[in-house]
Amino acid sequence: ELKVEQNPLFLSMQEGKNYTIYCNYSTTSDRLYWYRQDPGKSLESLFVLLSNGAVKQEGRLMASLDTKARLSTLHITAAVHDLSATYFCAVDGVTGAGKSTFGDGTTLTVKP
Amino acid sequence: GAGVSQTPSNKVTEKGKYVELRCDPISGHTALYWYRQSLGQGPEFLIYFQGTGAADDSGLPNDRFFAVRPEGSVSTLKIQRTERGDSAVYLCASSLRWTNTDTQYFGPGTRLTVL
Repeated sequence: ELKVEQNPLFLSMQEGKNYTIYCNYSTTSDRLYWYRQDPGKSLESLFVLLSNGAVKQEGRLMASLDTKARLSTLHITAAVHDLSATYFCAVDGVTGAGKSTFGDGTTLTVKP
Repeated sequence: GAGVSQTPSNKVTEKGKYVELRCDPISGHTALYWYRQSLGQGPEFLIYFQGTGAADDSGLPNDRFFAVRPEGSVSTLKIQRTERGDSAVYLCASSLRWTNTDTQYFGPGTRLTVL
């Protein structure tokens, strides 16, 4: 059974600081996704990572994938309040796309 | 353009009742997914469709849950004999195709409360 673990589950940081969220998964996969969810809202796709060594960046967020270590990271650079949200990683199993297994999310709070 | 829509946004029902949750995917999207999200947890896969057929329904928790997509567009998730443990937000997503490169676009969800 595919398991996805994120840490930390809760993160409070000051504006302007850097931090990294980690996503570990238990079985082979080369498809990993990062989503953002604001309170009471649905999920917004941030990144799709499809191969070992993939790195994608959008604004202050950068995601990377190491399939050998079964690890993805979401790095936040110079955090701003607008980044406060819950971030989920999700992994597709070897049976194919569509059946994503999600982590429990990292709730990020950026304080002034 | 219009995104994924779900109705109703909220549904309160009594234990034992039958409910239907509807999902309208983005026009032209052939793949449709249902997830369930409990408070404080990530979404949990239920089923996905490629066109009209259920490509994988292995996430449906038991035979009280059933989903259809008769014309390859709108989908309905049906729950019989609801239980309190069914209370959650039910999320629908669609993507252009069923491939690992296509982004899934999520709807706002239906919050189901079983009393």
